[in-house]
Amino acid sequence: AQTVTQSQPEMSVQEAETVTLSCTYDTSESDYYLFWYKQPPSRQMILVIRQEAYKQQNATENRFSVNFQKAAKSFSLKISDSQLGDAAMYFCAYRSPVTSLFGNEKLTFGTGTRLTIIP
Amino acid sequence: EAQVTQNPRYLITVTGKKLTVTCSQNMNHEYMSWYRQDPGLGLRQIYYSMNVEVTDKGDVPEGYKVSRKEKRNFPLILESPSPNQTSLYFCASSSRTGENYGYTFGSGTRLTVV
Repeated sequence: AQTVTQSQPEMSVQEAETVTLSCTYDTSESDYYLFWYKQPPSRQMILVIRQEAYKQQNATENRFSVNFQKAAKSFSLKISDSQLGDAAMYFCAYRSPVTSLFGNEKLTFGTGTRLTIIP
Repeated sequence: EAQVTQNPRYLITVTGKKLTVTCSQNMNHEYMSWYRQDPGLGLRQIYYSMNVEVTDKGDVPEGYKVSRKEKRNFPLILESPSPNQTSLYFCASSSRTGENYGYTFGSGTRLTVV
């Protein structure tokens, strides 16, 4: 079974600085999806960034980028120019490839990293 | 607006009193799923549905039921809630394929069983 590990329960960063959240996963599959989700105090789960394993290029979304190291099974999230609105719980998640019409598209989540922004 | 709507947002109930958490999506997604979120455990899948009348267990299905009679609705049923089902629950749907593949989550239901 796939597992996702987020080894940093809490992180803090000064406003306008850069922070990196780490995520490692365990799988024997060669094709899969990886995600970072943000959960602010409102509880809403917000997709931050998505990476397909077959794409070698690291995904980026404005101030958010990933460092995807497939061989090392590592998927870290870098937040540049941190803003107060970035304060949230961040979850890393893995999804296996779906091989049939009725296959499960389960997301396997890590335990989360709580990010605090210091003004 | 494309969205997944969950109700209620908060619910306090007593042990053994049957309850239903509703979930509805307006994106014509085939795939829907329920997760529960607990501190230190992340989110874990309870049940999922691949299409109308097709459902299956996830990782933590004990004490829960689901149904999928219509494509847009996927209610979560707790026949006899117990305190260990106190949790934050999320419904999600996905498009399964496409360039912009991803999940859309509901806004969560905070359930307390006393």
